[in-house]
Amino acid sequence: NAGVTQTPKFQVLKTGQSMTLQCAQDMNHNSMYWYRQDPGMGLRLIYYSASEGTTDKGEVPNGYNVSRLNKREFSLRLESAAPSQTSVYFCASSEAGRRQQPQHFGDGTRLSIL
Amino acid sequence: KNQVEQSPQSLIILEGKNCTLQCNYTVSPFSNLRWYKQDTGRGPVSLTIMTFSENTKSNGRYTATLDADTKQSSLHITASQLSDSASYICVVSDQAGTALIFGKGTTLSVSS
Repeated sequence: NAGVTQTPKFQVLKTGQSMTLQCAQDMNHNSMYWYRQDPGMGLRLIYYSASEGTTDKGEVPNGYNVSRLNKREFSLRLESAAPSQTSVYFCASSEAGRRQQPQHFGDGTRLSIL
Repeated sequence: KNQVEQSPQSLIILEGKNCTLQCNYTVSPFSNLRWYKQDTGRGPVSLTIMTFSENTKSNGRYTATLDADTKQSSLHITASQLSDSASYICVVSDQAGTALIFGKGTTLSVSS
């Protein structure tokens, strides 16, 4: 049972480049989330999706877009990367079809923007 | 303002000793509180979740307590092991589902 799988694990970008972070879960969970984690700060919600076809902004959505491709997959896109987006990004999921504390997290994507 | 404060920020203990981590919150009306363990380079893993009516929940050597009146929770680790070295994160939710606040975590180092 893989749980929540994120790709890539590491990425270095130049300012202005774009990229998509991929996330998939195999637990048939309804809700999926994207968080960022920065030193000295708690996890902050970027976007979440309570069900297939729906997405909602979290605390820090600026500069990001998301797509809930199907029940399993939830991707995060940076259209024009900025150094302030250097962070560790976590995808998470939970069973209920509403925003709640995640039950499972992936192991993160470490993103550096130069 | 909804807040979650964890203390201490970091802690070093000897293997085999017990320790207690604190989580104080102002989230209201309270719904539930969850503790996560995050190993270096990994995602958080859920340890326990507690609702308003629960005041103690255990998961192996981990025991969480909740006092909803004083808005305090603690995570007690018994007979610590080297593998307990990690960051421990508390998150609190309100009943409406609009506030879901993560604490900044306590970093625990267990040495031999």
